[in-house]
Amino acid sequence: AQSVSQHNHHVILSEAASLELGCNYSYGGTVNLFWYVQYPGQHLQLLLKYFSGDPLVKGIKGFEAEFIKSKFSFNLRKPSVQWSDTAEYFCAVNAWTGRRALTFGSGTRLQVQP
Amino acid sequence: DAGITQSPRHKVTETGTPVTLRCHQTENHRYMYWYRQDPGHGLRLIHYSYGVKDTDKGEVSDGYSVSRSKTEDFLLTLESATSSQTSVYFCAISEPGQKAETQYFGPGTRLLVL
Repeated sequence: AQSVSQHNHHVILSEAASLELGCNYSYGGTVNLFWYVQYPGQHLQLLLKYFSGDPLVKGIKGFEAEFIKSKFSFNLRKPSVQWSDTAEYFCAVNAWTGRRALTFGSGTRLQVQP
Repeated sequence: DAGITQSPRHKVTETGTPVTLRCHQTENHRYMYWYRQDPGHGLRLIHYSYGVKDTDKGEVSDGYSVSRSKTEDFLLTLESATSSQTSVYFCAISEPGQKAETQYFGPGTRLLVL
């Protein structure tokens, strides 16, 4: 079965600091990869996704992620965070196994201090 | 935002009572999902549906049942609620072949079982 690991459970940064959140998955076949964001009290929103092609994916609000197949990783990055980026971030994988459901990581809570 | 609504948005119930949560979509998407979100676990799939009357179990399906009699509605029933089912429940939808099967999430239902 596929699994997703997010090793950073809680990250605290100051505004303008750079961000990198790790995501590793375990599945040897073709995968679709996603990052979702959940602002306090809200539902999950899609931040970005990778399906094929350029492994560097750009999403909304200045976020990007790089798919490194050899490392089974899909890390999320942002060069300069803002207070409004305070949220929980989830990495998710959809392996092409027939079932179209997502497997989520446990999430990373990001707190940006002004 | 995708046209997904969930009802109720908040519910408090007692152990042993049945509870039904409703997910309604206006997007005519074929796939619908129920996830539960718990601290430290991210989102975990309970059940999903790939068409009217077509459903399958997810990784945490014990104690839950689902029904889908119309494309737009997906019901989740807790047959006899337990305190371990206190959680936030999210519905999601997707359409195979569109936007690479990105899943879109509803606003969530917060359930407290006393």
